[in-house]
Amino acid sequence: GENVGLHLPTLSVQEGDNSIINCAYSNSASDYFIWYKQESGKGPQFIIDIRSNMDKRQGQRVTVLLNKTVKHLSLQIAATQPGDSAVYFCAENEGNTPLVFGKGTRLSVIA
Amino acid sequence: DAGITQSPRHKVTETGTPVTLRCHQTENHRYMYWYRQDPGHGLRLIHYSYGVKDTDKGEVSDGYSVSRSKTEDFLLTLESATSSQTSVYFCAISSLVQGITNTGELFFGEGSRLTVL
Repeated sequence: GENVGLHLPTLSVQEGDNSIINCAYSNSASDYFIWYKQESGKGPQFIIDIRSNMDKRQGQRVTVLLNKTVKHLSLQIAATQPGDSAVYFCAENEGNTPLVFGKGTRLSVIA
Repeated sequence: DAGITQSPRHKVTETGTPVTLRCHQTENHRYMYWYRQDPGHGLRLIHYSYGVKDTDKGEVSDGYSVSRSKTEDFLLTLESATSSQTSVYFCAISSLVQGITNTGELFFGEGSRLTVL
């Protein structure tokens, strides 16, 4: 079946550097994409989302890029901080179907 | 934080026993979901509900049943727990309304860690 996955399971970055977390999806009909952050022992928390009619969306220190041609989604975190250390999940859906989550990438920030 | 409470937060039980996890919301959101989270699998949907007494199966529904008799409560039941059901279970809610372009955002509870011995 179609699923959402990630290129890298772990990512280590120096504090202050920019982080890029990647996600591949296989359902070409997906029209909504979302990134979640999960800290240890907590539930996932919304970071940013993007619809398929856009290719870029910016938030506070975060940017999501969508490349529908290659079915690729990325999350960029500017000036990464220790508090950004967490597991990051991408998720997608088509229409009003439930979100399908990727397996997650663990981001470790090195002070 | 969204008003979502999961109970119990931790439970240890034995194989073959019934287990019920409860999700309670104070947001009056229509949609409620149960996911399980396991290493290497991310979050997988078990069941979801789009209204009182309206539920549907997710990706990994075998061995689980749900009930929603009130808007605010969504119960997940393991009729006869197995070791493969050892996991962290997350409830989520959404205000998504079917038939309208999705807003998508799910709000998650803090999780319930279940260990089946």
